[in-house]
Amino acid sequence: ILNVEQSPQSLHVQEGDSTNFTCSFPSSNFYALHWYRWETAKSPEALFVMTLNGDEKKKGRISATLNTKEGYSYLYIKGSQPEDSATYLCAFRNNDMRFGAGTRLTVKP
Amino acid sequence: KAGVTQTPRYLIKTRGQQVTLSCSPISGHRSVSWYQQTPGQGLQFLFEYFSETQRNKGNFPGRFSGRQFSNSRSEMNVSTLELGDSALYLCASSLGTANTEAFFGQGTRLTVV
Repeated sequence: ILNVEQSPQSLHVQEGDSTNFTCSFPSSNFYALHWYRWETAKSPEALFVMTLNGDEKKKGRISATLNTKEGYSYLYIKGSQPEDSATYLCAFRNNDMRFGAGTRLTVKP
Repeated sequence: KAGVTQTPRYLIKTRGQQVTLSCSPISGHRSVSWYQQTPGQGLQFLFEYFSETQRNKGNFPGRFSGRQFSNSRSEMNVSTLELGDSALYLCASSLGTANTEAFFGQGTRLTVV
């Protein structure tokens, strides 16, 4: 994989559902994998920066895992709330920062 | 602690003109990166400056250039504007290592007519 790929492109869930997204990235020359949340009319906001294979990070109801050998990361949201509605971006960091196109999450009340 | 400030927030320019965008990073941050977002595209990396030196450059034509000053403030310049340059331009500041998070400004929305 030469680029950073995210799936799905968009997701609609009901309040209370748990959900997860995937980020695939090149497995060579890895420095770090970043996750950002981008709400409409705001700036992207950092969620996690992950550097070690097998890393797991958690912030409230949101968590992420990292597999650098196979080049993927998962972002999980437990018990989605309407305020979780946003675009979730991952970025592969080596010499530059390469972003995926994002997963647009909509949580319906 | 003040966040990343970008000016102006909105800009309308005519084809062929040039434009300069400004980014003031968070105090203490020495790295400033610039990104372009166009409809249907993700954030595309333009360049990164660290301590007044361009550290990395994305795949953009030479019409796109930048610089960083001794106080870490950065400017991005686009010459001979084209309609396709219409986009949201975001800058982000960080401490400059791969494992540190980037803090984004609110962006400059450039429209080329």
